[in-house]
Amino acid sequence: GAGVSQSPSNKVTEKGKDVELRCDPISGHTALYWYRQSLGQGLEFLIYFQGNSAPDKSGLPSDRFSAERTGGSVSTLTIQRTQQEDSAVYLCASSSPLAGGRETQYFGPGTRLLVL
Amino acid sequence: DAKTTQPTSMDCAEGRAANLPCNHSTISGNEYVYWYRQIHSQGPQYIIHGLKNNETNEMASLIITEDRKSSTLILPHATLRDTAVYYCIARRDMRFGAGTRLTVKP
Repeated sequence: GAGVSQSPSNKVTEKGKDVELRCDPISGHTALYWYRQSLGQGLEFLIYFQGNSAPDKSGLPSDRFSAERTGGSVSTLTIQRTQQEDSAVYLCASSSPLAGGRETQYFGPGTRLLVL
Repeated sequence: DAKTTQPTSMDCAEGRAANLPCNHSTISGNEYVYWYRQIHSQGPQYIIHGLKNNETNEMASLIITEDRKSSTLILPHATLRDTAVYYCIARRDMRFGAGTRLTVKP
């Protein structure tokens, strides 16, 4: 597709359930980011994938959060045993870093997660 | 990776220039400065970027100080639709900070 897509667009789950969020980056983009944004708050970095390098997981808030990127393309963010404080919009972005540090991120529409 | 500092919020009158500052005093020589904005309930949108020279596009102008320790995003004629959170980034891994909430008032 032309842009970054995410699914589902909305997810309502019960506390304690596991959820999987999907991100399809722009074709050819080697870098992929996950962020979350709670209501009225700024973007919170979660995890960063770049090519075949080990992902930067330093933003994951707890071990209930994990993400993988298969084949250098699609990424899945998994939240285990969801808590109400996990409710937020989860945003995915992809980019194609250029030589010299130039890079523009393109964002998907986000997944709105509500944990009841 | 440079850390950026921005004011939490700013107001601007409609039709006037909005000047949004960003401090990135620890920036390294090859790190670009990027600006994004996020309008309510939408994903962040790229605005402009620069390395050393001032830059201008159809959306905004970017003024970078000679020592590169700070920059200013300029919206020359702010409209109500420019109300958003503006993020300044000066890191290779493009992590976003808290940004500046700009409110354009009629």
